[in-house]
Amino acid sequence: KNQVEQSPQSLIILEGKNCTLQCNYTVSPFSNLRWYKQDTGRGPVSLTIMTFSENTKSNGRYTATLDADTKQSSLHITASQLSDSASYICVVISNTGNQFYFGTGTSLTVIP
Amino acid sequence: DARVTQTPRHKVTEMGQEVTMRCQPILGHNTVFWYRQTMMQGLELLAYFRNRAPLDDSGMPKDRFSAEMPDATLATLKIQPSEPRDSAVYFCASGLDLGTGNNQPQHFGDGTRLSIL
Repeated sequence: KNQVEQSPQSLIILEGKNCTLQCNYTVSPFSNLRWYKQDTGRGPVSLTIMTFSENTKSNGRYTATLDADTKQSSLHITASQLSDSASYICVVISNTGNQFYFGTGTSLTVIP
Repeated sequence: DARVTQTPRHKVTEMGQEVTMRCQPILGHNTVFWYRQTMMQGLELLAYFRNRAPLDDSGMPKDRFSAEMPDATLATLKIQPSEPRDSAVYFCASGLDLGTGNNQPQHFGDGTRLSIL
């Protein structure tokens, strides 16, 4: 069964600290993996898109990694800011019929 | 910055009523997606269009939901009749499919928060 699992479900960190969010998937065949940031009351915003051949991609203080062999991805946030408080959603797209598989998200709270 | 615009932002109505949600995709984008988000289920893809043609609506309850693109600047999602279990936030997203494997970013609107009483 194609699934996407994210961990932890929620996380609280101090401003300025780093953190890593995890995404494990069983989707096959694989097309690409996306990380989104969703602020409360807003639509998701794309952070990174990674295809099979890419194992790391950065967007400012956000760095995503992908291990297609173990089917694991991580999102690392460096020097966290209060504005990083949001839900982070991992989405895996299969290349059979463009099927989308969603994780349930990690809720990140950055405190001063 | 170009944005996806969704209307209305909020909708409260009684069960059995028809609900129509509208989306104006970013000019020049050729794909449009409809999603539903609830606390229990998270994000779900309902339907999507490429060049105004429906490509996949397998995530959508066919008996009451319908999605259309009357023209390139408007996408609609209709529920008739609505039920309390349809209460959710409905997002529209648009993107540019270059035919290279669907790896272009999607741009989301801020959603329609729907409550069916």
